[in-house]
Parts: sequence; structure tokens; C-alpha cells
Amino acid sequence: NAGVTQTPKFQVLKTGQSMTLQCAQDMNHNSMYWYRQDPGMGLRLIYYSASEGTTDKGEVPNGYNVSRLNKREFSLRLESAAPSQTSVYFCASSEQGAEEAFFGQGTRLTVV
Amino acid sequence: QQPVQSPQAVILREGEDAVINCSSSKALYSVHWYRQKHGEAPVFLMILLKGGEQKGHDKISASFNEKKQQSSLYLTASQLSYSGTYFCGTESNYQLIWGAGTKLIIKP
Repeated sequence: NAGVTQTPKFQVLKTGQSMTLQCAQDMNHNSMYWYRQDPGMGLRLIYYSASEGTTDKGEVPNGYNVSRLNKREFSLRLESAAPSQTSVYFCASSEQGAEEAFFGQGTRLTVV
Repeated sequence: QQPVQSPQAVILREGEDAVINCSSSKALYSVHWYRQKHGEAPVFLMILLKGGEQKGHDKISASFNEKKQQSSLYLTASQLSYSGTYFCGTESNYQLIWGAGTKLIIKP
């Protein structure tokens, strides 16, 4: 029972490089989310997708883009990485809106 | 606007009780509670809906006072497994706005 799967688990990027974080869920959930978590802080919403075919900005969207490829997959792209984007990134999904959310194991990203 | 959690951290001996508070300056429709262990993803504990409800989950329970715009999480007879950071989340436009967390350390 996979739940929410994120790849990669760890990544080091140089400033200016680009990369895509992948997320897939197998629970047939409608809503998917990308969060970042900085040391000692709570989760901040980057982008979310309330349903297949829709995406919306969250609290901290600058420097990121997302694609809801299908109902299962929601990817996060950093076009030109900056040191300020060093963080742990979590993908999550829920049946609808603000219901119980299931999280992936996170991606620890370091930008040097 | 981010909900405010208190205390920021608490250290307990195994078997002691703890209360974690979450308050908001905005009207609340629901409050969500999650626990995150170090290096892991947050895990859902419970959702409380407006109407002043209380919920229980083993020895972890919570209350929600919508008039006071606050929720409290109660951990009774704490166990070592309760250690972690507890987050509350409040609903806004179908999104969750998360508090900064309360770190709970349980010592044997």
C-alpha cells in the first residue's frame, strides 16, 4: 500500500540549475499539495491542485511551477534554483479540500 | 493568517499530561491536528468541526471552541511514542494554514 510516493528523497543542486520533484498517489484522491518546511517551522503551501486539471498558488509560489499531469501525479518544478529554496519539500493528497491529508516521505533539497 | 500555537516546546516525564493550544484571529470552521516525528512526514491525528465538538484517539483528545477561535490538544499519561512536533492547521479557502508547531519531548 504505497500511499503518496515522492522522488527523489535527497537532491543537491547548484544555484541556477533546474529540477522537477515528482509525486504520485494511489488513493484516488482529488486534491494534491506541495509544501515546504524550513527548520523549526511549520508547513507552508507552495501550490495545490483541488482536482485534476486545476492548480492554484498557495502561500509561497514564487520560483516554482506545478503540473497536475493526471489524477495520480502532481509535479513541482524549480526553474532556476536559489539557495533560499533549500528546504524539505512534502507532497500530500486528500480526498477533498481540507480533509485528512496523507503525506509523502519528503524530499530534502539543498541548493549551493 | 497563521494560527498561533502554545507552548512552543514542552518537556515531560513519561506518564505526565500535556495540553497544546491553537488559536486564530479568524473565524474557524475546522481545526486539524498532526504529529511529526523527527525526519518523518506529518501524520494525521484528528479533525474537529465547528460546533464545539471534542474527539478522542487513544489517550489523545482535543476540543474546539469556535467562539473563542481556539482548539486544545490533550495528551494524558504520555508515552515515549508521543514525542514529536504537533501542528494544528486551520481551514481557509479549502487550504490548511499551519501553526509553527509545538515540540513535545517525553523523557523516561
